[in-house]
Amino acid sequence: RKEVEQDPGPFNVPEGATVAFNCTYSNSASQSFFWYRQDCRKEPKLLMSVYSSGNEDGRFTAQLNRASQYISLLIRDSKLSDSATYLCACRTGGFKTIFGAGTRLFVKA
Amino acid sequence: NAGVMQNPRHLVRRRGQEARLRCSPVKGHSHVYWYRQLPEEGLKFMVYLQKENIIDESGMPKERFSAEFPKEGPSILRIQQVVRGDSAAYFCASSPEGDYGYTFGSGTRLTVV
Repeated sequence: RKEVEQDPGPFNVPEGATVAFNCTYSNSASQSFFWYRQDCRKEPKLLMSVYSSGNEDGRFTAQLNRASQYISLLIRDSKLSDSATYLCACRTGGFKTIFGAGTRLFVKA
Repeated sequence: NAGVMQNPRHLVRRRGQEARLRCSPVKGHSHVYWYRQLPEEGLKFMVYLQKENIIDESGMPKERFSAEFPKEGPSILRIQQVVRGDSAAYFCASSPEGDYGYTFGSGTRLTVV
């Protein structure tokens, strides 16, 4: 079983739609959680950290459910520019971070 | 305010040659990580270093691969006697002390012919 699992998608949504991604992690000792965005043939870029209380950054909302060991990312009012692969990431003590394989999102006009 | 600098961007090596990938972290970041990514796959952790120390190399193949982060100069990922299966994108990332996300470099795309 992979340490961090994501639905690979792709998710195809129209502009303006709301889309949600989930990510599950297997190590209950995981302490820190993040969402990254990766465009085709580019490096990953940190989108947001995920806090226990949930956090929001503009159209993006991240949630953490420790009991069920999953994190989620909600994107409201999708834009064409949101098309990318979204990677969830978990850190278990230390500084080493394990990444999921990513969920591909296509936003269409 | 330069981010993580990796070079070269593209590297072509023949089977059996050596590949050297360089990474300069964000100024002030003391933690460096190397990841490998195959097409359509996720990032696979290879090694985590601090200045002059390898902290965690659990993701690094035991043979042919080595990494260093000297007191002066960039971090180096070295692959000896490359094989076709080493072809991938290699990303370096850095972070400051504390619980922060990573800043990634633009990667080195290694092609072994």
